Amino acid sequence: AQSVTQLDSHVSVSEGTPVLLRCNYSSSYSPSLFWYVQHPNKGLQLLLKYTSAATLVKGINGFEAEFKKSETSFHLTKPSAHMSDAAEYFCVVSGTDSWGKFQFGAGTQVVVTP
Amino acid sequence: DADVTQTPRNRITKTGKRIMLECSQTKGHDRMYWYRQDPGLGLRLIYYSFDVKDINKGEISDGYSVSRQAQAKFSLSLESAIPNQTALYFCATSDWARTNNEQFFGPGTRLTVL
Repeated sequence: AQSVTQLDSHVSVSEGTPVLLRCNYSSSYSPSLFWYVQHPNKGLQLLLKYTSAATLVKGINGFEAEFKKSETSFHLTKPSAHMSDAAEYFCVVSGTDSWGKFQFGAGTQVVVTP
Repeated sequence: DADVTQTPRNRITKTGKRIMLECSQTKGHDRMYWYRQDPGLGLRLIYYSFDVKDINKGEISDGYSVSRQAQAKFSLSLESAIPNQTALYFCATSDWARTNNEQFFGPGTRLTVL
């Protein structure tokens, strides 16, 4: 079985400060991990993905995430928040034992203040 | 441009009515999925299909049915809609071999059941 826990339901940051969104996962086998972003009234857009290559993954818009197997974590970071980063972010796990099915976290709502 | 489209984008209906949500894709992917999104719960899988002859229940299939009319089309039906089926519904596609398990999402259908 696989599961995902996003440790913060809401994160508020000031523009220009770092962003950290925390994600822990469980999966029986080698997982693929993803971060998706959903802007208000929009669909889901892939930010980045980990699929057993480099453990530090760089994505779009300056985001990156580090896969830490020992901690079963895949936290998302960005050095400097921009107003356009205000959105909901989803951590997703997919294991080879789940035939490619996705398990979504509950989401983290990010608010960026000027 | 290759895409995942959903129709309708918005629908308001009454309890007991039959509703069909449609999904089409031009990506040539073999796998298609239906999810619903509720605040604080992330996205939950309703049904998925790995090819035209393959239909599988997800974690919340009760009250829903699907039809895979062709590789490019995957419809979701609510036989007798009820208010707690009010949600945002997403269709997604993937191709294990070509997309390394990444899923591509449609823009969503907002369904309100009165």
